[in-house]
Amino acid sequence: DGGITQSPKYLFRKEGQNVTLSCEQNLNHDAMYWYRQDPGQGLRLIYYSQIVNDFQKGDIAEGYSVSREKKESFPLTVTSAQKNPTAFYLCASKDGGYGYTFGSGTRLTVV
Amino acid sequence: KNEVEQSPQNLTAQEGEFITINCSYSVGISALHWLQQHPGGGIVSLFMLSSGKKKHGRLIATINIQEKHSSLHITASHPRDSAVYICAVPPRSSGSRLTFGEGTQLTVNP
Repeated sequence: DGGITQSPKYLFRKEGQNVTLSCEQNLNHDAMYWYRQDPGQGLRLIYYSQIVNDFQKGDIAEGYSVSREKKESFPLTVTSAQKNPTAFYLCASKDGGYGYTFGSGTRLTVV
Repeated sequence: KNEVEQSPQNLTAQEGEFITINCSYSVGISALHWLQQHPGGGIVSLFMLSSGKKKHGRLIATINIQEKHSSLHITASHPRDSAVYICAVPPRSSGSRLTFGEGTQLTVNP
């Protein structure tokens, strides 16, 4: 079945370490997105990519980096510059219209 | 003021009750999404609608484009419906980016 795979589901890292979250899709979607969710808040856009080898900053890009070398993959790196990285991270992709598919998310805890 | 406002923020119901969750938005849109987020965090798309009404099982979604308002109804609610329900819109000015409401936490008690 087509869908989005995010891994790992839970991730623990020490403060000051970079960490990369994986997002893979087999839906042949061009557009992919990374969102962050904090308790009691709506999802906020970190980065998005509308085509391979191109990506744009979202509303809260500081402290994060991405790459889009392949259509099916859009990894997110949380760098040591991100001041408060503990959060739930969600990846999504979009078809050519308005249909979105979401992953199951990665919960990152920095200790 | 957020571009997407949901109400109520929290909702507790008894099994079998009819439930309504509301979403108002302040921007021009081409479509509106209703999403469901279970405790594990993963999100499932329930509906995408641009006019009128859609029904899937016990779930019904309606939208009034002129009034910039949408509702999600659950008939004969069940404890397994307990989840966070999120309204999301892609404002025309933002391309394909979604703007999300803060979500409605629904708890259905047996």
